Amino acid sequence: GAVVSQHPSRVICKSGTSVKIECRSLDFQATTMFWYRQFPKKSLMLMATSNEGSKATYEQGVEKDKFLINHASLTLSTLTVTSAHPEDSSFYICSGETSSDEQFFGPGTRLTVL
Amino acid sequence: AQSVTQLGSHVSVSEGALVLLRCNYSSSVPPYLFWYVQYPNQGLQLLLKYTTGATLVKGINGFEAEFKKSETSFHLTKPSAHMSDAAEYFCAVSFGGYNKLIFGAGTRLAVHP
Repeated sequence: GAVVSQHPSRVICKSGTSVKIECRSLDFQATTMFWYRQFPKKSLMLMATSNEGSKATYEQGVEKDKFLINHASLTLSTLTVTSAHPEDSSFYICSGETSSDEQFFGPGTRLTVL
Repeated sequence: AQSVTQLGSHVSVSEGALVLLRCNYSSSVPPYLFWYVQYPNQGLQLLLKYTTGATLVKGINGFEAEFKKSETSFHLTKPSAHMSDAAEYFCAVSFGGYNKLIFGAGTRLAVHP
């Protein structure tokens, strides 16, 4: 199957700082990437759909000014958590969509905001 | 509205016993159905999927699932559990293609000796 990587795998930051998470499709081009958030022992919640070269589409209740998404190329999407607060601590997972419309998931990034 | 319900947040089985993880969905259009497995601190791995055609779908690691339209179900089964099957399992559904997956709450499978 197709491979998606995320960097970093873990990040700890201070409250008020910004954190960038990268999502890369390693062996395919992903016109569309998805960003999910997973709370402890909970399911995945779709945050936004990222389309290469255009603005992301955010799900209801997700602050687009707080969670900045950039999809500058067909293999890279980034999620920046701005002015992070402890409640932003979570596991963030991205996925890339192949040309056959299947989603392949990255390994996730655990964000801890102190 | 479309939704996915996984019955049982925790399931515990003995090694070698049958595994049955339940998933029901609600939809007004034909769904695509998926089962994913997640190991601790890792992303999701696709076990199997149903799109069209044969309703009994076989996946990796000996898992299979059957799409039952009349029951709006897509339960996951494995005849004989292995210790390595212990993980979190998510049922997911999408409508009109693969886009925009909706996940169930997940079922944590424990396998004991």
